[in-house]
Amino acid sequence: AQSVAQPEDQVNVAEGNPLTVKCTYSVSGNPYLFWYVQYPNRGLQFLLKYITGDNLVKGSYGFEAEFNKSQTSFHLKKPSALVSDSALYFCAVRDDTDYKLSFGAGTTVTVRA
Amino acid sequence: GAVVSQHPSRVICKSGTSVKIECRSLDFQATTMFWYRQFPKQSLMLMATSNEGSKATYEQGVEKDKFLINHASLTLSTLTVTSAHPEDSSFYICSAGPTGLSSYEQYFGPGTRLTVT
Repeated sequence: AQSVAQPEDQVNVAEGNPLTVKCTYSVSGNPYLFWYVQYPNRGLQFLLKYITGDNLVKGSYGFEAEFNKSQTSFHLKKPSALVSDSALYFCAVRDDTDYKLSFGAGTTVTVRA
Repeated sequence: GAVVSQHPSRVICKSGTSVKIECRSLDFQATTMFWYRQFPKQSLMLMATSNEGSKATYEQGVEKDKFLINHASLTLSTLTVTSAHPEDSSFYICSAGPTGLSSYEQYFGPGTRLTVT
């Protein structure tokens, strides 16, 4: 069984400040981890993934995430948030034996000017 | 990157009618596509896994006779909501992934907003 927890429903930050969106996961095999962003009435856009290798993964739009195996976490970060980063963010996981993704509940990010 | 399209983007239908939603992978072949349902401000719920040339695999609690899935080619999967009712109103999203367990991210379509009146 696999699952994802995003403990924060909402994250509010001021423009220019660092942004962190938290994610922890549980899988039985090796984890494949993903972050997606969703804008209103749109599908999901892929931001970044961790499969193997360097624990710090860099993705689209200046986002990065750090894989921490001991804490089973994969927090999304951006050093300087923009108002346009305001959206719904989903963390997802699958293991290396199944195609199916499990999604977290999502975190709404609001960046104020 | 890979592109997945959905059609229509928005549909309104009357209760009791059927609605077909198409999901296409535009620049890659997908032996497996996934159909999700998303309620407002909630996460994606996997409904079924669509396999090219074989029957779809439905998640527990999803009625296979109500949500008909056909994956007739490597680039097209369709979801038909039969005898739609207002409670079927939702945002339906498909995704497609490259073949093989060693392939990674899924690519998502833009979604279809279904409203049943």
